[in-house]
Amino acid sequence: ETGVTQSPTHLIKTRGQQVTLRCSSQSGHNTVSWYQQALGQGPQFIFQYYREEENGRGNFPPRFSGLQFPNYSSELNVNALELDDSALYLCASSSGQGVENEKLFFGSGTQLSVL
Amino acid sequence: GNSVTQMEGPVTLSEEAFLTINCTYTATGYPSLFWYVQYPGEGLQLLLKATKADDKGSNKGFEATYRKETTSFHLEKGSVQVSDSAVYFCALSPYNTDKLIFGTGTRLQVFP
Repeated sequence: ETGVTQSPTHLIKTRGQQVTLRCSSQSGHNTVSWYQQALGQGPQFIFQYYREEENGRGNFPPRFSGLQFPNYSSELNVNALELDDSALYLCASSSGQGVENEKLFFGSGTQLSVL
Repeated sequence: GNSVTQMEGPVTLSEEAFLTINCTYTATGYPSLFWYVQYPGEGLQLLLKATKADDKGSNKGFEATYRKETTSFHLEKGSVQVSDSAVYFCALSPYNTDKLIFGTGTRLQVFP
């Protein structure tokens, strides 16, 4: 049990809709990263938030956006859903902007299906 | 650019067999290298890591050595157990960042 919780665990949407996924960080962590894991693939970095500011972004279009709140929880928003957005979305939290990946904790993910 | 290539699965072994999962990488500079494990229905867990050339990461009987000359970080275990059945991901983190670039994962199935 890592202390990183994501909700919902599963979600079904239709093409063109919008979705919000939520992540509650491990206590004491101020950095949240989001990854997309398509079926049979490794996770791909979407973006990272540090103290409520975006701190790096992967190769994802602007319809993928995020927020981090003062309590360091986070949301991932995806607009105009496409079929290829169907994937497991993983949230990971850590403390600081450092490179100590042993302190990076992943949640169990939200499985999004776009029909 | 940065990328990770790992052997395709599934890898199917009998209990107590020797395990090798190959991983090679392409990176600029000096990345850190990782192996993560994903058990069914769970999030990713860090298995081991190495931050510089010739470092050996080890945990729970698993080992991997950072080989700069061959740009490899192969995962090994001398005697696998049924409980090791999971998907294993090789990953790198470019120098001075904590953003991870993953391989496609290798499913390991261990039978009694």
